[in-house]
Amino acid sequence: KAGVTQTPRYLIKTRGQQVTLSCSPISGHRSVSWYQQTPGQGLQFLFEYFSETQRNKGNFPGRFSGRQFSNSRSEMNVSTLELGDSALYLCASRPGQGVPGELFFGEGSRLTVL
Amino acid sequence: GENVEQHPSTLSVQEGDSAVIKCTYSDSASNYFPWYKQELGKRPQLIIDIRSNVGEKKDQRIAVTLNKTAKHFSLHITETQPEDSAVYFCAASAEAGTALIFGKGTTLSVSS
Repeated sequence: KAGVTQTPRYLIKTRGQQVTLSCSPISGHRSVSWYQQTPGQGLQFLFEYFSETQRNKGNFPGRFSGRQFSNSRSEMNVSTLELGDSALYLCASRPGQGVPGELFFGEGSRLTVL
Repeated sequence: GENVEQHPSTLSVQEGDSAVIKCTYSDSASNYFPWYKQELGKRPQLIIDIRSNVGEKKDQRIAVTLNKTAKHFSLHITETQPEDSAVYFCAASAEAGTALIFGKGTTLSVSS
């Protein structure tokens, strides 16, 4: 069974631009979560989607948004990029929103903002 | 919302020693506490988890303990090996449908 796939793996943007990251969950998984990873700050929760609906949201500004499609694939978008948005963005999937269980992470999309 | 504090941020041990990482959480409704290991350049992977109806769980050289009254849980690694060197994250979540919130991580270095 294929794992969680994230694209692109690496990207460089300049301040003020916007970026869209994509995540394909494990087949059959309907819940997709996004995390921002930076040195010293660990894994900060951005949002979680289930059945095309945002179910949970972290403490990030409105510039960070996401969506989920009917096939459970998810995208996140960051508008008006700032230098501080440079980070590894990790997507994780799990089967559903029932009893909490293992999150399966992708390899991440590393964003550099210049 | 849930807040998870993790200590220490870095930990250096000699091969064969034990390592302990501690976490506290704020939401008394949390009932699921996993630990993830992230090796350099790799994705985080679950190594062990515990639910609130259990006080301790072991899997070979790793164990996790949970004290719901004090709202803290710990990861214990015995007989550490160089391949245990990684960043370890604790996490907590409450009832079904809530987000999994992570601590800031502990960088464990095991020297031979």
